[in-house]
Amino acid sequence: DIVLTQSPDSLAVSLGERATISCKSSQSILYGPDNKSALSWYQQKPGQPPRLLIYWASTRESGIPDRFSGSGSGTDFTLSISSLQPEDVAVYYCQQYLTIRRTFGGGTKVEI
Amino acid sequence: EVQLLESGGGLVQPGGSLRLSCAASGFTFRSYAMSWVRQAPGKGLEWVSAIIGSGDDTYHADSVRGRFSISRDSSKNTLYLQMNSLRVEDTAVYYCAKETLGKSDDYWGQGTLVTVSS
Repeated sequence: DIVLTQSPDSLAVSLGERATISCKSSQSILYGPDNKSALSWYQQKPGQPPRLLIYWASTRESGIPDRFSGSGSGTDFTLSISSLQPEDVAVYYCQQYLTIRRTFGGGTKVEI
Repeated sequence: EVQLLESGGGLVQPGGSLRLSCAASGFTFRSYAMSWVRQAPGKGLEWVSAIIGSGDDTYHADSVRGRFSISRDSSKNTLYLQMNSLRVEDTAVYYCAKETLGKSDDYWGQGTLVTVSS
């Protein structure tokens, strides 16, 4: 199975500052002739299900604020929150969907 | 509006069985692959099982293979997870999720809690 390693485990950021989370894959997750990376990012708040933020490593889901951005290709990926807001306090997970046997990163807790 | 509503969770003894259901609405159920993902208390997300739209192909994590079985009934717009030989380590909130091709899991239910304990 593809292993995703997230870092850091937790992150404290001041309001209005940038938060950056890393996700590294044990193998390339490039897919198809367009060479897109089959990686998504989710946000999960306490007591709630995960919410899709980003797919194809850098495409924002509909309704997601543009302060959230994803980057990277192949095996190294980054989720950035450009200006942290109080409602962004959550745990963030990366997920690969190159194979139907999905795997998730261990999660990164973002706090103020 | 896409809605996924899980049910069937509860307290069960080790070695017991449980069947989870996920009632889907707001989309053409038979056209989409569906998954179950679980989350143990205070832990991260773990993919459990997936089934393609037709129901012809199913996939399971190594941790549940041979004990869990995913299925779907398109006439009822319902996804199932039959869980047998339950272990303490299967204790978790179980989420069903809809997959959109190219987006992975774009909609999730609220989850149902399964507790395996004597």
